[in-house]
Amino acid sequence: DTGVSQDPRHKITKRGQNVTFRCDPISEHNRLYWYRQTLGQGPEFLTYFQNEAQLEKSRLLSDRFSAERPKGSFSTLEIQRTEQGDSAMYLCASSILTGLARDYTFGSGTRLTVV
Amino acid sequence: GESVGLHLPTLSVQEGDNSIINCAYSNSASDYFIWYKQESGKGPQFIIDIRSNMDKRQGQRVTVLLNKTVKHLSLQIAATQPGDSAVYFCAENRAGSARQLTFGSGTQLTVLP
Repeated sequence: DTGVSQDPRHKITKRGQNVTFRCDPISEHNRLYWYRQTLGQGPEFLTYFQNEAQLEKSRLLSDRFSAERPKGSFSTLEIQRTEQGDSAMYLCASSILTGLARDYTFGSGTRLTVV
Repeated sequence: GESVGLHLPTLSVQEGDNSIINCAYSNSASDYFIWYKQESGKGPQFIIDIRSNMDKRQGQRVTVLLNKTVKHLSLQIAATQPGDSAVYFCAENRAGSARQLTFGSGTQLTVLP
């Protein structure tokens, strides 16, 4: 296990299409986080899971955004009816139960471009 | 509103010099701060953290200073190297069940030969 993996690394989609991103966390990590990062800005928290339970989703940007972690391992983030404003880097991070920053590991992200 | 922000968007330093990156925060209840390094095409990488009951913490070539009176923290990098060129973010790791991170907008550090 070499860290948090995200797939795909890059995605270009037409406005109105649905996209799904995958995150594979470090295997022994219980917590999984999704963040969004726009150009020149720091990452912005979207949602997190503890095992398979989604414990915080109020920060998801709209009802077009949804995330799952069905078996408490990998997670998917789906954006329906994409808009140009959804263009950003989507980062996944995993952590042990403490959730402390020193225990976080980020993936390299999926860069989404909506044209 | 609550925010974590940086004073300068860019910083250029000569190789071998020391670098200082500053950050201001507005939430006086913040109790845990972190510095991250992000290289192009990669996710943020943890550098060092500090709790509010401390005013200084040192790591390998890095020092974080926290001034709670003026709600300011800084990252000092000693003997800056070309590999230190990256965007640096300060972040707050908020208390609560989610323990999510709140980031500032970043400082681009460029190390000149």
